[in-house]
Amino acid sequence: SQKIEQNSEALNIQEGKTATLTCNYTNYSPAYLQWYRQDPGRGPVFLLLIRENEKEKRKERLKVTFDTTLKQSLFHITASQPADSATYLCALVGSNSGYALNFGKGTSLLVTP
Amino acid sequence: DSGVTQTPKHLITATGQRVTLRCSPRSGDLSVYWYQQSLDQGLQFLIQYYNGEERAKGNILERFSAQQFPDLHSELNLSSLELGDSALYFCASSPSGGAWGNTIYFGEGSWLTVV
Repeated sequence: SQKIEQNSEALNIQEGKTATLTCNYTNYSPAYLQWYRQDPGRGPVFLLLIRENEKEKRKERLKVTFDTTLKQSLFHITASQPADSATYLCALVGSNSGYALNFGKGTSLLVTP
Repeated sequence: DSGVTQTPKHLITATGQRVTLRCSPRSGDLSVYWYQQSLDQGLQFLIQYYNGEERAKGNILERFSAQQFPDLHSELNLSSLELGDSALYFCASSPSGGAWGNTIYFGEGSWLTVV
């Protein structure tokens, strides 16, 4: 079966450090991978999309890598701030969902001053 | 504000009852997706409609059904409710027929509590 796995344990880091979140997937052959941010009780918000032929993508303090050989994406937030505290979700289009996105369970990030 | 509107925001109902959740997609978006989020299961895809037609089906129970109307708003009907149906239900929309390479935009969700 298709799986999207993200670290279930919360990641606690100090303000100013780089946060690195991992997304591993099995039984997908994705052409695209997406990352979303979700605050408690709110809807997920799109952050970045990376294509299979892109090794890396950046947007301001965010960087995503995509390794289709390792079946892994890494999501980095540099110079992290307390406002970056949220849950970050990895998403792929799955064969069991037609053209809709399947999401990982997310990793909770807490940035402390 | 994503432009996706969901009502009601909160709903408390008893087991065995039926509820309807409503979603208005972003202006111009043809696809509507429904997701269920509970603490232990994460965000689970239920069903997608595109321009009034069912496009994809995920882990949707037979007690649940959905439809998309000509004005593109959508409703998710949940019947014979059980305690385990308590969750946050999200609607999302996108311009095209799928999320393949496209962003989808989420509403703020409808909190359903079954007591």
